[in-house]
Amino acid sequence: EAGVAQSPRYKIIEKRQSVAFWCNPISGHATLYWYQQILGQGPKLLIQFQNNGVVDDSQLPKDRFSAERLKGVDSTLKIQPAKLEDSAVYLCASSLRRQAYEQYFGPGTRLTVT
Amino acid sequence: GESVGLHLPTLSVQEGDNSIINCAYSNSASDYFIWYKQESGKGPQFIIDIRSNMDKRQGQRVTVLLNKTVKHLSLQIAATQPGDSAVYFCAENMDYGGSQGNLIFGKGTKLSVKP
Repeated sequence: EAGVAQSPRYKIIEKRQSVAFWCNPISGHATLYWYQQILGQGPKLLIQFQNNGVVDDSQLPKDRFSAERLKGVDSTLKIQPAKLEDSAVYLCASSLRRQAYEQYFGPGTRLTVT
Repeated sequence: GESVGLHLPTLSVQEGDNSIINCAYSNSASDYFIWYKQESGKGPQFIIDIRSNMDKRQGQRVTVLLNKTVKHLSLQIAATQPGDSAVYFCAENMDYGGSQGNLIFGKGTKLSVKP
């Protein structure tokens, strides 16, 4: 079974630029999560989708971050404009249902904002 | 706000010894806990979980202990191997008010195994 795919794996941008990350979840997984992991810390949930609908975006900085999952499969996370403090690994995870257990994580995209 | 925390940021053990990684949580409403392993350049990988109605759960070479009285969680790894070297996170879930699926992670403990 293929795992969660993410691209790109690494991205370096200057502050105030825009960036987008892509995630392809495990086939059949209805729930998709985006996490932000700052160096030396645990992942922090940004947004949670159930199929193509948002079920929780309470921790998403909506002035600069946006995410979509238009067809209920792939998802993109965008930052516009980026700030220095956005430097982190952005992890995508998926699960069969909206649940705490059996969340499968992708390898992440490491973003460096200079 | 309340969050999951850890007692030790780093742990170094000899190959073959047992490892114990600790975690403190502060929210008594949490009813589900997971330990994750994260190797360099990879996403977190599920190790073992435990629900709040249990105080111990065993897996292959791993045991999780939950002490609700003092809000403490631990991960025991038996016969630690070099492949166990990674950062270990505990995570908690408060399954109420539509928060299903939301995991709150601690900061992690880096485990280094000396050959």
